[in-house]
Amino acid sequence: GENVEQHPSTLSVQEGDSAVIKCTYSDSASNYFPWYKQELGKRPQLIIDIRSNVGEKKDQRIAVTLNKTAKHFSLHITETQPEDSAVYFCAAYRPGSARQLTFGSGTQLTVLP
Amino acid sequence: DTEVTQTPKHLVMGMTNKKSLKCEQHMGHRAMYWYKQKAKKPPELMFVYSYEKLSINESVPSRFSPECPNSSLLNLHLHALQPEDSALYLCASSGSGGGETQYFGPGTRLLVL
Repeated sequence: GENVEQHPSTLSVQEGDSAVIKCTYSDSASNYFPWYKQELGKRPQLIIDIRSNVGEKKDQRIAVTLNKTAKHFSLHITETQPEDSAVYFCAAYRPGSARQLTFGSGTQLTVLP
Repeated sequence: DTEVTQTPKHLVMGMTNKKSLKCEQHMGHRAMYWYKQKAKKPPELMFVYSYEKLSINESVPSRFSPECPNSSLLNLHLHALQPEDSALYLCASSGSGGGETQYFGPGTRLLVL
């Protein structure tokens, strides 16, 4: 089955700096890659996603890049703000997979004021 | 409206109690999911309903019993739970049961005494 590895597990950055979180997946048939942000005590919230037919997608300060050959995708947050502090989860979906979304282990991002 | 609602928000129950968690969505989604999440860990898939039929049961103990009364509602019946079942229980829904964005509810925080 699909396996998703996520790094780093914790990340601290100064306010205004950029943050990058990386994920690798094992199954080349996976074709949909969402990123979720989960603040303490709240639901996972989709912040951006990418499908395998594009290499990059951007939404204001957030961008995701996908390298299908290397089977990895990354979340980039620019001009970080304290409210970006949360746990971020990447995920991968393989068509026909009984397990639906396979999640990475999560990254605790802390933005220091 | 991309909202999934869940009740109750918090639940404390003894090991001999019977309780139910409820989830509702009005986005016309045909797939609904139950996840269990421990602190700072990724959501762990329990059940998937696709077109109101149970399509995935991830070897969940029988003390958890799902039910999908109609396309908008999903229940999780709890009976004789163990303290290790204490967790955040998340409901999610998606458009066609795979490859589409999953939207999460706010969760029910369950404590088993």
